Amino acid sequence: IQMTQSPSLLSASVGDRVTLSCKAGQNINNYLAWYQQKLGEAPKLLIYNANSLQTGIPSRFSGSGSGTDYTLTISSLQPEDVATYFCQQYNSWTWTFGGGTKLELK
Amino acid sequence: EVQLQQSGAELGKPGTSVKLSCKVSGYNIRSTYMHWVNQRPGKGLEWIGRIDPANGNTIYAEKFKSKATLTADTSSNTAYMQLSQLKSDDTAIYFCAMDGGILRIIPFAYWGQGTLVTVSS
Repeated sequence: IQMTQSPSLLSASVGDRVTLSCKAGQNINNYLAWYQQKLGEAPKLLIYNANSLQTGIPSRFSGSGSGTDYTLTISSLQPEDVATYFCQQYNSWTWTFGGGTKLELK
Repeated sequence: EVQLQQSGAELGKPGTSVKLSCKVSGYNIRSTYMHWVNQRPGKGLEWIGRIDPANGNTIYAEKFKSKATLTADTSSNTAYMQLSQLKSDDTAIYFCAMDGGILRIIPFAYWGQGTLVTVSS
């Protein structure tokens, strides 16, 4: 199942509401996760099952969507949120990542 | 605290094999699934495969079926991945990751720090 993220690069200011998109090639039944990867680090799980916040993740992160279209929202961008964000589907015993969205400060 | 400690960087010659390890502490790997993911330099994440350490059952991404072999040793709480017939294209960071939560419903909840594999003659 192909996963397409947009945009590939996003520039935003501290305090902005930021929205990242992820589109699946077919219905993935909300089996969608979001990961944050900072430079030189391993990825970190933020959201699973499309909208469940992983323990310890700040509440400014939220996930939504259904079917083939999903969104990660950061309600108020913080400097420490600069990273690349990947979506991942885990429907039907396969796991596929999107190409990533690099988020930088304007 | 759950921790995944991966083995150190590897330098392999083309045509040879390397075996990476991922030792888990703070969690019994018999109660979870272990995944392996790679990341080529400057690129995105690519899922390689998954093993159920309780019974050794594996699932591989199609392109890695003849490249990677996943195993696990429940006595040492360690997962392994062997990469065979190394090519320059296999140069990447390889991560192990573990599902979490009751019934293993939280995907890739924990990650190792990554192992850099460099293929060069």
